[in-house]
Amino acid sequence: NAGVTQTPKFRVLKTGQSMTLLCAQDMNHEYMYWYRQDPGMGLRLIHYSVGEGTTAKGEVPDGYNVSRLKKQNFLLGLESAAPSQTSVYFCASSFRSGSSTDTQYFGPGTRLTVL
Amino acid sequence: AQSVTQLGSHVSVSEGALVLLRCNYSSSVPPYLFWYVQYPNQGLQLLLKYTSAATLVKGINGFEAEFKKSETSFHLTKPSAHMSDAAEYFCAVRTNRDDKIIFGKGTRLHILP
Repeated sequence: NAGVTQTPKFRVLKTGQSMTLLCAQDMNHEYMYWYRQDPGMGLRLIHYSVGEGTTAKGEVPDGYNVSRLKKQNFLLGLESAAPSQTSVYFCASSFRSGSSTDTQYFGPGTRLTVL
Repeated sequence: AQSVTQLGSHVSVSEGALVLLRCNYSSSVPPYLFWYVQYPNQGLQLLLKYTSAATLVKGINGFEAEFKKSETSFHLTKPSAHMSDAAEYFCAVRTNRDDKIIFGKGTRLHILP
């Protein structure tokens, strides 16, 4: 199993450009998450999905959109990139157990720089 | 709403010394608590989790954490630090009412030779 993979690993954008980050998991997990990590801020949840075809906003959703057309994939889109979106982006996935003690499995991250 | 506070953004310990990373949580309902570790240029991986089965939780790499309800704490410890423990550590909380895990801001652990 590859676990959680993210594409691309690195990207440099100019202000106003758009791009899509792809997250894929092969563990048949129901739940998928997108986080951003900034120095001194920890991980902040952008959007998440509790199943195919469903998405929900997290803590910092502005400027991002997501889609979950297939259970194994979770896409994060930036329609018009801004320098404030320079960050490291992590995708995670998990089962949803009845007792809610699921473990999140993380991808290796995408380092995005917006000039 | 639940939250976690990690005391100390940077902690330095000598190799072989005790590691203590502090985490306090806030939750109006019984929480589930986690410690994750992030090595340089990698994603996060689970160290251990508290699921109400036992207050002392043992994790990977010799780490353990104790849930103390009276102190609303879930501190992470390791008796003897190793150079390979240098990483960033995140405490996290969730409840069974939520689909989300809330992460603390992280503590970077430095190991001194």
